[in-house]
Amino acid sequence: DGGITQSPKYLFRKEGQNVTLSCEQNLNHDAMYWYRQDPGQGLRLIYYSQIVNDFQKGDIAEGYSVSREKKESFPLTVTSAQKNPTAFYLCASSMYGRVTDTQYFGPGTRLTVL
Amino acid sequence: AQSVTQLDSQVPVFEEAPVELRCNYSSSVSVYLFWYVQYPNQGLQLLLKYLSGSTLVKGINGFEAEFNKSQTSFHLRKPSVHISDTAEYFCAVSEGAGSYQLTFGKGTKLSVIP
Repeated sequence: DGGITQSPKYLFRKEGQNVTLSCEQNLNHDAMYWYRQDPGQGLRLIYYSQIVNDFQKGDIAEGYSVSREKKESFPLTVTSAQKNPTAFYLCASSMYGRVTDTQYFGPGTRLTVL
Repeated sequence: AQSVTQLDSQVPVFEEAPVELRCNYSSSVSVYLFWYVQYPNQGLQLLLKYLSGSTLVKGINGFEAEFNKSQTSFHLRKPSVHISDTAEYFCAVSEGAGSYQLTFGKGTKLSVIP
């Protein structure tokens, strides 16, 4: 089955620790995205990558970092510089990264900072 | 800058009744419009999108939406809801050519009452 997988489903972190969220897709899509979802806030774009080894900051990139070394993988690192990291994180992909392309979403990772 | 307003944060409706979820956007240029659905603790799934052409767009699960340029609206409708439609619905907008980013509304939680 083609799709997007995110792991882990739940993640707990102590303050001051970096943590990496995994996102893998087997849809052969060029573009991948990371969103943050907070209750009552909708989705906000963290980072976007249209091709391998290239990515752009979204609206709320501060305190986050990404890499895109392989087409199918787009991991997100939440660093200790992110002041309020507790949230639901969603990864998505689309065929070419055009705004008209449908974005396909993974099931999400819920991060809680203890 | 574009923005999206979903006027109702929660909408309760009885099973088999019709429903309308409202979405208004602000943009000075031509836009593309989307509705996504999110079931509890899951990622988002595209319901329908308006790119051009007919202003009445039909999507999955019996949903449809109408683009009204003069009122800058893109309301989502279903003539008869089912328990399985209970979910959160997000409207999103993009300013078209040259843009890669979707701007999401804050979501509307639809609760279908048996």
